[in-house]
Amino acid sequence: QSVLTQPPSASGTPGQRVTISCSGSSSNIGNNYVYWYQQLPGTAPRLLIYRNNQRPSGVPDRFSGSKSGTSASLAISGLRSEDEADYYCAAWDDSLSGLAFGGGTKLTVL
Amino acid sequence: EVQLVQSGGGLVKPGGSLRLSCAASGFMFSGFSMHWVRQAPGKGLEWVSSITSSSNHIYYADSMMGRFTISRDNAKNSLYLQMNSLRAEDTAVYYCAREGFSGYEIGLDVWGQGTTVTVSS
Repeated sequence: QSVLTQPPSASGTPGQRVTISCSGSSSNIGNNYVYWYQQLPGTAPRLLIYRNNQRPSGVPDRFSGSKSGTSASLAISGLRSEDEADYYCAAWDDSLSGLAFGGGTKLTVL
Repeated sequence: EVQLVQSGGGLVKPGGSLRLSCAASGFMFSGFSMHWVRQAPGKGLEWVSSITSSSNHIYYADSMMGRFTISRDNAKNSLYLQMNSLRAEDTAVYYCAREGFSGYEIGLDVWGQGTTVTVSS
């Protein structure tokens, strides 16, 4: 059971906007930055969002992150077939003194 | 090119040991904290351990504490994970990853290709 809670699946059609939620607690999301990672099938994860809402260079502005209290979300607008992947949220957990990952959300582009 | 190249995975019997390596190139390895993250077959990402740039702070996930040891050799631009008393549930793809820094931490921004560890008799 993951410390951060994500829905196991999400879906949308091309061009749509989808959001993926990530719920935590005061010891992780509530007190630390949230990060989002994208994992395409058979590949290593890729950093998508850092510090709640910042995009590394090379990440399209279709991807955006937000945080409120002990929850965070990733939004993907203008959905494309190549966005079909697993998405993970992460945050440092002060109680565990470790990095906590969400269980992952499998995004399907219909 | 900034990259992390992993080696050392394989098949090991329960109770056995294995040492994973992660060779860094294209950046000043000694200036970055490093992490190990694993992924069991068909499962999500699980953080394993992290080590700061000068090895003065080391952290482990509870389930690995006492069995796994993270270390680094900045002179060799290399990160290691010594895994002892391996169990079937340690079977996973293990990734090394760099904790990016640009005035502040920016997440795990460079990942190795992953190496498979299989614990089975």
